[in-house]
Amino acid sequence: AQSVAQPEDQVNVAEGNPLTVKCTYSVSGNPYLFWYVQYPNRGLQFLLKYITGDNLVKGSYGFEAEFNKSQTSFHLKKPSALVSDSALYFCAVRDSLAGGYNKLIFGAGTRLAVHP
Amino acid sequence: DVKVTQSSRYLVKRTGEKVFLECVQDMDHENMFWYRQDPGLGLRLIYFSYDVKMKEKGDIPEGYSVSREKKERFSLILESASTNQTSMYLCASSPPGGWYTEAFFGQGTRLTVV
Repeated sequence: AQSVAQPEDQVNVAEGNPLTVKCTYSVSGNPYLFWYVQYPNRGLQFLLKYITGDNLVKGSYGFEAEFNKSQTSFHLKKPSALVSDSALYFCAVRDSLAGGYNKLIFGAGTRLAVHP
Repeated sequence: DVKVTQSSRYLVKRTGEKVFLECVQDMDHENMFWYRQDPGLGLRLIYFSYDVKMKEKGDIPEGYSVSREKKERFSLILESASTNQTSMYLCASSPPGGWYTEAFFGQGTRLTVV
């Protein structure tokens, strides 16, 4: 079965410093990976996805993610953190179903706190 | 912009009540999903639907049912609410396209069962 793991419940970083939010995956076949962000009292917003191609994927709000097949990881990164980046971040993997349908399987989430 | 709208942001219901959570999307998406979100557990799929009147069980369907009479609307029903169903409920939709597409989420309904 497909799964993702987010090993850190919380990540703390100072504003202006680079940030990394970690995600590892376990899939059979090619992985299709996503990052979503949830701001307080809001639904999830799509940040970026990896389907195929370049291992470095660029997304919204200056975020990027690095796909590493040998380490089965898909870490989310940003060169310079902002206080407004403080939110809950979810890694997800596509799971295929019979009939060509698909669903997302989510990690437990990582809370990012950026301090001034 | 794709819009997924959930009818309530906050709900408080009593144990044993029948509860309806409504979700409407305006992008003519075929696929719709209901997830619940709990701290430390991430999002878990309750039910999904890939067409009108079609539904499939997700990972945690017990105690829930769904209805999809129109393409744009997907309802989650708690037949007899219990305190362990206190949670944040998130609706999502996505177009067809198999492996390629992301999902669009509503703002969530925080349900408290007392």
